[in-house]
Amino acid sequence: AQSVTQPDIHITVSEGASLELRCNYSYGATPYLFWYVQSPGQGLQLLLKYFSGDTLVQGIKGFEAEFKRSQSSFNLRKPSVHWSDAAEYFCAVEGDSGYALNFGKGTSLLVTP
Amino acid sequence: GAGVSQTPSNKVTEKGKYVELRCDPISGHTALYWYRQSLGQGPEFLIYFQGTGAADDSGLPNDRFFAVRPEGSVSTLKIQRTERGDSAVYLCASSLGMGQDYNEQFFGPGTRLTVL
Repeated sequence: AQSVTQPDIHITVSEGASLELRCNYSYGATPYLFWYVQSPGQGLQLLLKYFSGDTLVQGIKGFEAEFKRSQSSFNLRKPSVHWSDAAEYFCAVEGDSGYALNFGKGTSLLVTP
Repeated sequence: GAGVSQTPSNKVTEKGKYVELRCDPISGHTALYWYRQSLGQGPEFLIYFQGTGAADDSGLPNDRFFAVRPEGSVSTLKIQRTERGDSAVYLCASSLGMGQDYNEQFFGPGTRLTVL
């Protein structure tokens, strides 16, 4: 079965600092991978996705993620964090069904001044 | 255009009661999904509709849960004899369809269900 692990429950970064959120997946074939962001009272918003091809994926709001098959990872990065980036971040994998997303437990990001 | 909407935004009910949660998908989206997000967890898949039919209801936890989408647009998630363990945020998502270019899921803000 497909699964996603987000090792960090909480992360705190200073505004302007770089950010990396970790995601490891378990899936036999080439996975379809996603990063979503969830702000309080808001729905999940897709930041970026990986299906195939270039392993470095650019997304919205200045985020990028790199797919590394050898490490079964799909880490999310941003070079300079803004206070408005404080939110819950979820990594997800689309499995054999071709539609159902399997989400990690999320990483809560706190941005300090 | 309008995104996915869900009503009510909050629902408080008593143990044993029946509840209905509504989802209005993005116009033209044929695929609709329900997920459940418990506190401190990521969303968990419940059910997937393609058009009017439930193509996959394998994520529904038991037979107290049922969902319909009679006209291929609005969907209602129905929970009978609610239990305290049903307390969660219920998320609805829709997509154009399936396949790489069509399966991006757009999520609604969710309905927070509290069972007392």
